[in-house]
Parts: sequence; structure tokens; C-alpha cells
Amino acid sequence: AQSVSQHNHHVILSEAASLELGCNYSYGGTVNLFWYVQYPGQHLQLLLKYFSGDPLVKGIKGFEAEFIKSKFSFNLRKPSVQWSDTAEYFCAVTSQTGANNLFFGTGTRLTVIP
Amino acid sequence: DTAVSQTPKYLVTQMGNDKSIKCEQNLGHDTMYWYKQDSKKFLKIMFSYNNKELIINETVPNRFSPKSPDKAHLNLHINSLELGDSAVYFCASSPSFLPYEQYFGPGTRLTVT
Repeated sequence: AQSVSQHNHHVILSEAASLELGCNYSYGGTVNLFWYVQYPGQHLQLLLKYFSGDPLVKGIKGFEAEFIKSKFSFNLRKPSVQWSDTAEYFCAVTSQTGANNLFFGTGTRLTVIP
Repeated sequence: DTAVSQTPKYLVTQMGNDKSIKCEQNLGHDTMYWYKQDSKKFLKIMFSYNNKELIINETVPNRFSPKSPDKAHLNLHINSLELGDSAVYFCASSPSFLPYEQYFGPGTRLTVT
């Protein structure tokens, strides 16, 4: 069965600090990987996705993530966070074969202090 | 126009009642989903429908029954509500059941008292 681990439960940063949120997945086959963001009181929005090709993917709002197959990881990064990045971040995975069943990690809450 | 919409946004009800949550998407997608987000923010898929047909049914109690009158709508009916059903329920859609990004609705916060 697929599973996704996000080890950072709550991250607190000052504005302009760099961000890296960890995501590790467990699955024996080929996967698609996603990062979603949930701003306070809002629905989930896609930040970025990896299906194939360049393992370094760029998303919206200056976010990027790197797929490292050997480590089963897909960490999210941003060089300089802003107060408006305060949100819950979810890593998710689907199998490249079979149904489009998103498995989510438990989420990481990011608080950015002005 | 909202791509994926849900009604109601908030739902407060008593144990034992029956309630429904509606979801509509105007993206022309073939596949729709229901997810449950618990109090710890953990998201788990419940159901997925492709062209009105059920393709995923995770281990969800029989009290939950999805209904898809057409491919733009996927409603969730819950019978005999229990305290543990309190959660935020998200509807989502994607172009097909093949792996693709999903677009989420705003969520329905269900509180069972």
C-alpha cells in the first residue's frame, strides 16, 4: 500500500528565511508526486507536480521541489518565505498505473512571522 | 465562476440524522472524488466516480452513499450520523480516472453534536 510521510508537523520561520519541507513516500511502482497548499479557511490548491522528466520541478509562488528516486523523497523548497505563505502544506502521491487515487501525507503547518 | 463548488459550506446536525452534501464541477471533467479531512488535517479518499460509475470505494461505512446523477455532480449522503463523522469533506475532480492533478472544492465542515 502507498503511504506518504511528512516529518515536520509544524514549522515556524521568519520572513525571508529559506524553507524546506520533507516528504517521503512508500510505494513499489512508479509514482506521480504533488504538493498542495491549503491557506487558512480555503480549499486545497496545487503548488506543483512531478510526473516524469526533470526531477527539479518549479511551481507557483516561487516554490520548487526535487524528486530523488533513490531516497523516495519529494521535498518542497522556497528560498525566501513571505508572511502570505502561512498555510498547511500537503504532499501527495498517486500510482502512474491504476486509478488516480491521491494518498496524502499528514501535512505540515507553516507559520511565517513578519 | 467557481470550478468545483460544494453546498453547504457548514453543516451542524445531531447524531442519528441523515444529511447530504452536494458537489458540482464546471470543468467538464469525467472523474470526481470525495475526501475526508479529520481534525488532525489528515486527508483520506472516500470515493471516486468516473462518468457516473463508482471506481474507488475505500473502507467507508455503508452509512455513506455517494450518488452521481451526471458526470458534473457527485453528492454524498450520510445516514445515521455519528460524532466521528465530524470532519471537513472535500469534493475534487480531474479530467479522467488516469493519474492527473485534482481540483478541489472549498470543503464542507460537518459538525455532529
